Amino acid sequence: AQKVTQAQTEISVVEKEDVTLDCVYETRDTTYYLFWYKQPPSGELVFLIRRNSFDEQNEISGRYSWNFQKSTSSFNFTITASQVVDSAVYFCALSTTDSWGKFQFGAGTQVVVTP
Amino acid sequence: NAGVTQTPKFQVLKTGQSMTLQCAQDMNHNSMYWYRQDPGMGLRLIYYSASEGTTDKGEVPNGYNVSRLNKREFSLRLESAAPSQTSVYFCASSGQAGAPYSNQPQHFGDGTRLSIL
Repeated sequence: AQKVTQAQTEISVVEKEDVTLDCVYETRDTTYYLFWYKQPPSGELVFLIRRNSFDEQNEISGRYSWNFQKSTSSFNFTITASQVVDSAVYFCALSTTDSWGKFQFGAGTQVVVTP
Repeated sequence: NAGVTQTPKFQVLKTGQSMTLQCAQDMNHNSMYWYRQDPGMGLRLIYYSASEGTTDKGEVPNGYNVSRLNKREFSLRLESAAPSQTSVYFCASSGQAGAPYSNQPQHFGDGTRLSIL
């Protein structure tokens, strides 16, 4: 069975601080895919990034960066120099090759950025 | 370029009433999904359709039925609504023809806020 744990329920930061969101996953499959989504207060779900289990290269995209470590089954997400517009709920999700595209979502982490 | 369209956006029902939530996608995706989102629980899969003509249960299917009307449309029906089904419902789609399903991001509609009194 697949499982995704986002232990942080809510993180509050002051603008320009960095914030790191933790995601720990469990799967027996050797090939799997990890995703991060953002849900701003308006409610829509926005796809941010996908990583494959066979590609541990970390990635930076503007103020966002992702740290994928198979050894610890973690796929963490960092926002550098946070802004008020980063206030949202962030979800980590897992998909495996035999899941027919089904996702297992974590419970989400609420990020609150205050001016 | 609408993506995934859900109707209605809001609905209030009385216990025991029935209702169908509609979802349509214009991205030629093979797979479609229905989730519910409750506070502190993330998104939980209700039903999914891996391809046109097939449907299968997800994590929380009780009290719901689905219909994959054609490749574009996937509806969710509550036959006899209960207060426990008060939630935000999201429809999603993924998987272009010929691509492996599991590595494709899902694209979500804007959600339906459903309250059952």
